[in-house]
Amino acid sequence: QKEVEQNSGPLSVPEGAIASLNCTYSDRVSQSFFWYRQYSGKSPELIMSIYSNGDKEDGRFTAQLNKASQYVSLLIRDSQPSDSATYLCAVNPPSGGSYIPTFGRGTSLIVHP
Amino acid sequence: EAGVTQFPSHSVIEKGQTVTLRCDPISGHDNLYWYRRVMGKEIKFLLHFVKESKQDESGMPNNRFLAERTGGTYSTLKVQPAELEDSGVYFCASSRTGTAGYTFGSGTRLTVV
Repeated sequence: QKEVEQNSGPLSVPEGAIASLNCTYSDRVSQSFFWYRQYSGKSPELIMSIYSNGDKEDGRFTAQLNKASQYVSLLIRDSQPSDSATYLCAVNPPSGGSYIPTFGRGTSLIVHP
Repeated sequence: EAGVTQFPSHSVIEKGQTVTLRCDPISGHDNLYWYRRVMGKEIKFLLHFVKESKQDESGMPNNRFLAERTGGTYSTLKVQPAELEDSGVYFCASSRTGTAGYTFGSGTRLTVV
C-alpha cells in the first residue's frame, strides 16, 4: 500500500514568516514529487514539482527532496494571508507507466496578519 | 487556453438515483483522470483514460460507477444507483502525454441524501 503522509494541521504562521510543510512517502522507488495548493472550494493547482534530491526554488516557494529519507517539503518564505490554503503533496511512481500520483490528505496552512 | 471544465458544480440526489458527471479536458490533452475526495480523506484516484481507452480503472470502487470518454474528448462518470457513501467531490484532471503535472477541474460536489 503506497502511502503519502502529511500533518493535517492547521499550521498557523504570522505574515512574513516562513511556513514549512512536510510530506513523507512509503514507496522508495517514487520518482516525481508535486505540491498542489487548494483554496477552499476550489480545485488543486500545481505549484511545484521536483524530481531530484536537493532544493528547487521558484519565487517564494522552495521544494526540498530527500529520497534517502523519503521526505519532501515545501517552504514558503515571506508568507502572505493569500497563501492560506490546503497544500497537497503528490508522489508519482517510476516512469514507464501512467502518471498516477498518490496524494496526501493535505496540510491546512493559515497565515494570519 | 481554456481549463478543465466540470459540470455540474454541485449535485444533490437521493439514494438510489442516477447521476452523471461530465468533464471537458483541455484541448489536446490525451490523458484524462477522475479523482474523488471524500470529506476528511485524501484525494483518491478512480481511473485514467488515454484518448478514448481506459488505461487504468483500478480505483473505481465498484460496478455502480461507469466512466466513458466518447471519441477521446469529454468524459462522463455515471453513478447508478447512488449510495450515501458516494458523496464527495469528484475531480477531473487532464495532462499531455509525457507530462506528469495535472490541471484539475473545479470539481463536482456530489451529495447523496
